[in-house]
Amino acid sequence: DAGITQSPRHKVTETGTPVTLRCHQTENHRYMYWYRQDPGHGLRLIHYSYGVKDTDKGEVSDGYSVSRSKTEDFLLTLESATSSQTSVYFCAISDLPRGSAEAFFGQGTRLTVV
Amino acid sequence: DQQVKQNSPSLSVQEGRISILNCDYTNSMFDYFLWYKKYPAEGPTFLISISSIKDKNEDGRFTVFLNKSAKHLSLHIVPSQPGDSAVYFCAASDSGGGADGLTFGKGTHLIIQP
Repeated sequence: DAGITQSPRHKVTETGTPVTLRCHQTENHRYMYWYRQDPGHGLRLIHYSYGVKDTDKGEVSDGYSVSRSKTEDFLLTLESATSSQTSVYFCAISDLPRGSAEAFFGQGTRLTVV
Repeated sequence: DQQVKQNSPSLSVQEGRISILNCDYTNSMFDYFLWYKKYPAEGPTFLISISSIKDKNEDGRFTVFLNKSAKHLSLHIVPSQPGDSAVYFCAASDSGGGADGLTFGKGTHLIIQP
C-alpha cells in the first residue's frame, strides 16, 4: 500500500470554527488531491497540488483552502466550518498527472460539523 | 452537469455469477478510465484502468470494456466472490495536460449473495 496517512481520522467540530485536516505521504509523489465523499455525489475534488507551493481549485473549493509547504504534507483548512461541510474527506496522491496513472487514497477523515 | 454517470446505485449478484457494472461519460475529452473499489470506512483502492486506445483490459477476474462511440464502459467480474461486495466507482480523466484529478461517478454498491 502507498504510504499515505490522514489525520485526524474522526473529528467533531462546531459551526464557525476553523478546522485543518492533514495528509502526509512517504512516497515522494508530486501530485496530491483532496476529495470529499457524500451520499449521492460520489467523490468530488476540492483542491489539488502539483508541487510544493503549487495548488489549484477543484470542483467544490468554496469554503476551503489548502497549503503545501513540503512535498510530503498537504493541508486542507475549513476557514469557518458549516454543516454542509460534514463529509468524509479523502486525500490522494499520484506520481504522474491525471490520465497517466492511478491515484492512491488515504483512509479518510470523517468530519462532523454540529 | 454530471460528466461520469453510474446509473445503478446498487446491484445484487449471486456468488459465482458474473457481475457487470456500467458507466457512461459525456466529456469527449476523457481518454483514460479507471475503476476503484471501496469498502466501508476505508479509502478507495485502484482496481483496473483502460486507455482510450484500447477497448478491453483484463486483470484476473476483472475485465473492463470501453465503447468510445457510445461513451460507455463496463466492469465485468467473473466469477463474483463474497469479497467483491463493495462500492465501485468509475473515474475518468483526459491526458491533455494538467493535474486536476479524476472525475468520479456516484458509485454502484455491489452485493454478492451467497
